[in-house]
Amino acid sequence: KQEVTQIPAALSVPEGENLVLNCSFTDSAIYNLQWFRQDPGKGLTSLLLIQSSQREQTSGRLNASLDKSSGRSTLYIAASQPGDSATYLCAVDQTGANNLFFGTGTRLTVIP
Amino acid sequence: EPEVTQTPSHQVTQMGQEVILRCVPISNHLYFYWYRQILGQKVEFLVSFYNNEISEKSEIFDDQFSVERPDGSNFTLKIRSTKLEDSAMYFCASSDRTVYQPQHFGDGTRLSIL
Repeated sequence: KQEVTQIPAALSVPEGENLVLNCSFTDSAIYNLQWFRQDPGKGLTSLLLIQSSQREQTSGRLNASLDKSSGRSTLYIAASQPGDSATYLCAVDQTGANNLFFGTGTRLTVIP
Repeated sequence: EPEVTQTPSHQVTQMGQEVILRCVPISNHLYFYWYRQILGQKVEFLVSFYNNEISEKSEIFDDQFSVERPDGSNFTLKIRSTKLEDSAMYFCASSDRTVYQPQHFGDGTRLSIL
């Protein structure tokens, strides 16, 4: 059964710092991997989707990489801002039907 | 930007009662999903729905659960006889295709079973 793990569980950084969030998954036979952001009391907002054939995706200050063979993905956030404070979740699509297995999340706090 | 809307935002129900959670997906989307998140735990897939039928369901989605698209806009999750362990945040999501399209999530319904 697929297991998705995110490290660290929580991270606090000063504003302006670059940071990396990690996601690992046990079964490398995935169709895609997605990164989401979850604000308190809110739903999930899709940030980046990496297809299994891709190595990375970029959107603004965010860059996500995927190493399928080793079961790892990273989310790089450049020049962090207080507005980036949220919980970041990674999720994998195992079947191509977009039914997602989620990780435990990393709670990020960016200190002004 | 179009969004997925869920009602109610919070539902309190007595154990054993039926509850219906409602969702209005983005209008041109074809694939619909329900997830749940028990407090402090991972978001878990419940069911996916396409072309008026269930595509896939998880082990959690047992006979107590059902989904329906009663009209062209709503997508509902019914829990027939609620249990204490059904207390969770329930998220609806939609996408216009599978695989290469991200899912758009609603803000969730917090279900509290007393």
